Amino acid sequence: GAVVSQHPSWVICKSGTSVKIECRSLDFQATTMFWYRQFPKQSLMLMATSNEGSKATYEQGVEKDKFLINHASLTLSTLTVTSAHPEDSSFYICSARISGRESEKLFFGSGTQLSVL
Amino acid sequence: EDQVTQSPEALRLQEGESSSLNCSYTVSGLRGLFWYRQDPGKGPEFLFTLYSAGEEKEKERLKATLTKKESFLHITAPKPEDSATYLCAPLPSGTYKYIFGTGTRLKVLA
Repeated sequence: GAVVSQHPSWVICKSGTSVKIECRSLDFQATTMFWYRQFPKQSLMLMATSNEGSKATYEQGVEKDKFLINHASLTLSTLTVTSAHPEDSSFYICSARISGRESEKLFFGSGTQLSVL
Repeated sequence: EDQVTQSPEALRLQEGESSSLNCSYTVSGLRGLFWYRQDPGKGPEFLFTLYSAGEEKEKERLKATLTKKESFLHITAPKPEDSATYLCAPLPSGTYKYIFGTGTRLKVLA
């Protein structure tokens, strides 16, 4: 099956620094990728939809200047958490959509646990 | 506004004790529904995509069904390795934005 690779798996950083998370589709091209955030024992919260070659679409309440998304190629999307603060600590997960006739699926990365000290 | 509700929030079963998880939703047009399984600290793993009311799909001990207003994930004779959080997401017509439910945390005891 299709594979989505997400790095790093975990990162610890100091408050005020920026952190970049990469999401790659390894064996398929993804024109659309999604970024989710998840708090412990809670569901996935959609942050933004990333479209190759265009600006990301952010969900209501998500600061686009804090969470910078770049989707420069059909296999790579990045999420940069700028000037991170402890409240940004969370589990971030990317996903890529594959769709065809009767075969729409989302493939998820393994997630990135961000801890901001 | 589209809404997704999953019940129960948590479920403890003895090994071999069958049960069902529910996913109900209000969406502006429904073209399908996802079911995913998520283990702690990992990304969700695809289980099923259902496309039409009345459709059923099976995978090992899991069977998913779909109606116009809700979906069920039936677990037959579960094993401890089925312990996970199960997530659903309806697929609204006219958009590819996926909103997941809050999930059901399943624990199967040996």
